[in-house]
Amino acid sequence: NAGVTQTPKFQVLKTGQSMTLQCAQDMNHNSMYWYRQDPGMGLRLIYYSASEGTTDKGEVPNGYNVSRLNKREFSLRLESAAPSQTSVYFCASSATGRYSNQPQHFGDGTRLSIL
Amino acid sequence: AQKITQTQPGMFVQEKEAVTLDCTYDTSDPSYGLFWYKQPSSGEMIFLIYQGSYDQQNATEGRYSLNFQKARKSANLVISASQLGDSAMYFCAMRGSDGGSQGNLIFGKGTKLSVKP
Repeated sequence: NAGVTQTPKFQVLKTGQSMTLQCAQDMNHNSMYWYRQDPGMGLRLIYYSASEGTTDKGEVPNGYNVSRLNKREFSLRLESAAPSQTSVYFCASSATGRYSNQPQHFGDGTRLSIL
Repeated sequence: AQKITQTQPGMFVQEKEAVTLDCTYDTSDPSYGLFWYKQPSSGEMIFLIYQGSYDQQNATEGRYSLNFQKARKSANLVISASQLGDSAMYFCAMRGSDGGSQGNLIFGKGTKLSVKP
């Protein structure tokens, strides 16, 4: 009954370091998403993948890269971390459909602090 | 551009009373969907309820119902018989076409609900 699994749950980085956030889903969903949540800002979309092999930019893509490794996995990479990227990161997945009534299912989030 | 507005940063409600959390939206797309999520202090995002733009009736899920007023572009969440466990952040989100966004969600900034015993 895993749903969407994110690793790690917590991470502290120094400015300039790189890291990859991992996300995997076991619901056979085609679409996957990465969001960041900052205080008072709600959730903002970083990147999404409508299907295996495709990725597209969201609202706030600068400083990030993504890889849709296969249908299950969608990773988010920070190449050179900056303090402005301190945030809580959520991965989500959903069934395909531009007008689908299926909700996005979220992982538990990764709390990332960059010093 | 599509937009979701939640005008109540924080709300208080007495246990066992009903509470309405406001959400207004802006879109030019005739087909869209509205979602509400709950985020307790533990941080996870929990899907509560969905309303489609063409749905004839207001959505209901247990103690949650959606007061959908299409002409006013509002989709307020009503929680009946509030419980202490309802204390959380609540986010309204909209899925629309918005070009090639493939149905991505746009979130409001959220409302923090506190239930008083």
